[in-house]
Amino acid sequence: EAGVAQSPRYKIIEKRQSVAFWCNPISGHATLYWYQQILGQGPKLLIQFQNNGVVDDSQLPKDRFSAERLKGVDSTLKIQPAKLEDSAVYLCASSQGLAVAYEQYFGPGTRLTVT
Amino acid sequence: DQQVKQNSPSLSVQEGRISILNCDYTNSMFDYFLWYKKYPAEGPTFLISISSIKDKNEDGRFTVFLNKSAKHLSLHIVPSQPGDSAVYFCAASNAGNNRKLIWGLGTSLAVNP
Repeated sequence: EAGVAQSPRYKIIEKRQSVAFWCNPISGHATLYWYQQILGQGPKLLIQFQNNGVVDDSQLPKDRFSAERLKGVDSTLKIQPAKLEDSAVYLCASSQGLAVAYEQYFGPGTRLTVT
Repeated sequence: DQQVKQNSPSLSVQEGRISILNCDYTNSMFDYFLWYKKYPAEGPTFLISISSIKDKNEDGRFTVFLNKSAKHLSLHIVPSQPGDSAVYFCAASNAGNNRKLIWGLGTSLAVNP
């Protein structure tokens, strides 16, 4: 079974530039998550999708971050414009459903450096 | 405000001995707890979980203990192996339709041969 795929793995941009991350979840997984993990901290949920609908985006900085999951499969996360404090690893995860007993499977993450 | 606390940033143990990783939480509404393991340059992987109706869950070398009155849980690894060297995250979820995970800061475990 293929795991969660993310690209790119690394990205370096200057502040005020834009960047986009892509995630392909495990086939058949209805729930998709985007997390931000700053160095030395635990993952922080940015947005959670159930199929192509948003379940929770309460911690997404909506003035600069946007995400979509068209057709309920792949997802993209965009930052526009980027700030220095956006430097972090962006993790995508998927699970079979919303119930917490469903294990979340994580991709390898995209390491973003904003200079 | 950190609702899930892992107060030890790092832990070092000898191969074959027991590793004990601790986690404290402040929100009494949390009813499901999970441990994830993370290797460098990889995403976290699920290790073991426990529901608040239990006080112990065991899976091979890994056991999680939950003390609800103390709002404390611990992960025991026996015996520890060098391949267990990783960052371990404690996460908690509260009852409700949207079961968002709240994560601790992680504990870096080093198992020395």
